[in-house]
Amino acid sequence: GAGVSQTPSNKVTEKGKYVELRCDPISGHTALYWYRQSLGQGPEFLIYFQGTGAADDSGLPNDRFFAVRPEGSVSTLKIQRTERGDSAVYLCASTMGGGPQETQYFGPGTRLLVL
Amino acid sequence: TQLLEQSPQFLSIQEGENLTVYCNSSSVFSSLQWYRQEPGEGPVLLVTVVTGGEVKKLKRLTFQFGDARKDSSLHITAAQPGDTGLYLCAGPLTSNYQLIWGAGTKLIIKP
Repeated sequence: GAGVSQTPSNKVTEKGKYVELRCDPISGHTALYWYRQSLGQGPEFLIYFQGTGAADDSGLPNDRFFAVRPEGSVSTLKIQRTERGDSAVYLCASTMGGGPQETQYFGPGTRLLVL
Repeated sequence: TQLLEQSPQFLSIQEGENLTVYCNSSSVFSSLQWYRQEPGEGPVLLVTVVTGGEVKKLKRLTFQFGDARKDSSLHITAAQPGDTGLYLCAGPLTSNYQLIWGAGTKLIIKP
């Protein structure tokens, strides 16, 4: 597939559990973004990777959220001790280079529901 | 407080009508982007406007960037059911790589 893929497409978990959300960017794209979108809202920036490093993680809401991109391709967003307020759609996007003016290609998202 | 305010929040009209949706800010943006998002999908970029006063056309869609680069509008002529979706505007913060997003306009075109 040529597009950004995200797995799982849906995740239901219980409060307090740990979850991992995966993003496969477009091959060759060096930059990767994670966003969170709540119902009726636009996406909210979480973190931006350039290559393997997190260039900007200022959008992560607290230390329960962490993301990695060890080989500069696939990224995993990790949420510890999930809370009901974490329920949202988590979107991933990739761009060829860096910079927000580049076209961001989004995946379909992972719908996380914390019960 | 949203840096980018979109209006209306919701719009439902009949096929064939014209409509305009707005994206406003008190801040100056170097550029603004418009996306369309369908249920169960991620946003898809429609256009980027860069120059104050710029007008871009994409078939029946006309995008305008305000002269002061604080606002933008999207006008759709002869709307079709396929135009249904959530229309989002977004712009970069100059200080970092973040995109700031509006809450979107949910558009429904009834056949």
